[in-house]
Amino acid sequence: KAGVTQTPRYLIKTRGQQVTLSCSPISGHRSVSWYQQTPGQGLQFLFEYFSETQRNKGNFPGRFSGRQFSNSRSEMNVSTLELGDSALYLCASSTTGTGDTEAFFGQGTRLTVV
Amino acid sequence: GESVGLHLPTLSVQEGDNSIINCAYSNSASDYFIWYKQESGKGPQFIIDIRSNMDKRQGQRVTVLLNKTVKHLSLQIAATQPGDSAVYFCAENKNDYKLSFGAGTTVTVRA
Repeated sequence: KAGVTQTPRYLIKTRGQQVTLSCSPISGHRSVSWYQQTPGQGLQFLFEYFSETQRNKGNFPGRFSGRQFSNSRSEMNVSTLELGDSALYLCASSTTGTGDTEAFFGQGTRLTVV
Repeated sequence: GESVGLHLPTLSVQEGDNSIINCAYSNSASDYFIWYKQESGKGPQFIIDIRSNMDKRQGQRVTVLLNKTVKHLSLQIAATQPGDSAVYFCAENKNDYKLSFGAGTTVTVRA
């Protein structure tokens, strides 16, 4: 069974540009969530989607957005990139995203903003 | 505030010894706790979880203890091996479709 796949693995962008990251969940998983990981802030929740609906959103500016498609694949977009957006972006999938369901993480996309 | 935190940022342990990683949480409404292991260049990997109606759960070489009275969570690794070197995170789920992570403890196993 394939795991969570994130593409691309590495990305270098210039300040002011925008970027789109992709996540393919484990087959059968309908919940996809996104996290930002930085050395200073640790793992911070961005948003969670289930059946194309956003159910929760973290405390990030509106430049961060996401969506989920009918096949459960998800994308997140960051517009007007800032140096501080450099981070490892992680996607996790689970069957329902509720309470005690196990979340599986992908290897992440390492974004560097220069 | 409502957060999950770890007591120590680093832990050095002799190979073969037992490791104990601690985590304190402040949200008594949390009902599900998870420990993750993250190796360099990889995403977090599930180790073990525990529900709030339990106080202990065992897996293969790992045990998680939950003390709701003092809001404390710990991960015990028996007979620590070099492959256990990683960053360990505790996380809580308040049934709001997200995980709240602690800051992480870097475990280094000495040969």
